[in-house]
Amino acid sequence: SQQGEEDPQALSIQEGENATMNCSYKTSINNLQWYRQNSGRGLVHLILIRSNEREKHSGRLRVTLDTSKKSSSLLITASRAADTASYFCAAAGNKLTFGGGTRVLVKP
Amino acid sequence: DTAVSQTPKYLVTQMGNDKSIKCEQNLGHDTMYWYKQDSKKFLKIMFSYNNKELIINETVPNRFSPKSPDKAHLNLHINSLELGDSAVYFCASSQDRASGGTDTQYFGPGTRLTVL
Repeated sequence: SQQGEEDPQALSIQEGENATMNCSYKTSINNLQWYRQNSGRGLVHLILIRSNEREKHSGRLRVTLDTSKKSSSLLITASRAADTASYFCAAAGNKLTFGGGTRVLVKP
Repeated sequence: DTAVSQTPKYLVTQMGNDKSIKCEQNLGHDTMYWYKQDSKKFLKIMFSYNNKELIINETVPNRFSPKSPDKAHLNLHINSLELGDSAVYFCASSQDRASGGTDTQYFGPGTRLTVL
């Protein structure tokens, strides 16, 4: 089974709204990473949160990590049409194990 | 300059053929990876190499053979292609110096393989 399940699978919002997506994983990790994938392109690293951190910010991105629940969330504030993409979490143990992704559509 | 490049971008071939995908990174990284992304967008690691040595081999059929001539290149050769091999294959690299793959990874643009 896939480690790193993501929820929701798809999300449709208006420009300016916030987008929140969640990720769960199954094993112990060194860190958890979030990536973005635009249609037909490779993955691009967004943010990394270490296992001893609880929250991290980068621009309009906010990531939380709860290692007791083995879960993480990614919040994109004030979304833009250019944020339309698929977002993947990746649990970093001895390798990266990716979730199934959340497809985000930001409507102008 | 492209950090991680792959060729070709598209590959359409018949069942039973043999094909190769090439990957190069100019980031000076020690570790390189191959991932397979299926039609449902699940991304799964296939192989990782650290400084030309195979580190991870994730239950991949032995029809798939990675080759790393130097630490900047990791090529993927596939023998006797099957319909189920159709997917997008991504190469990636990271600065990990040991066998762990916990650093940020940099991905290539992908190779869309279609087996007819």
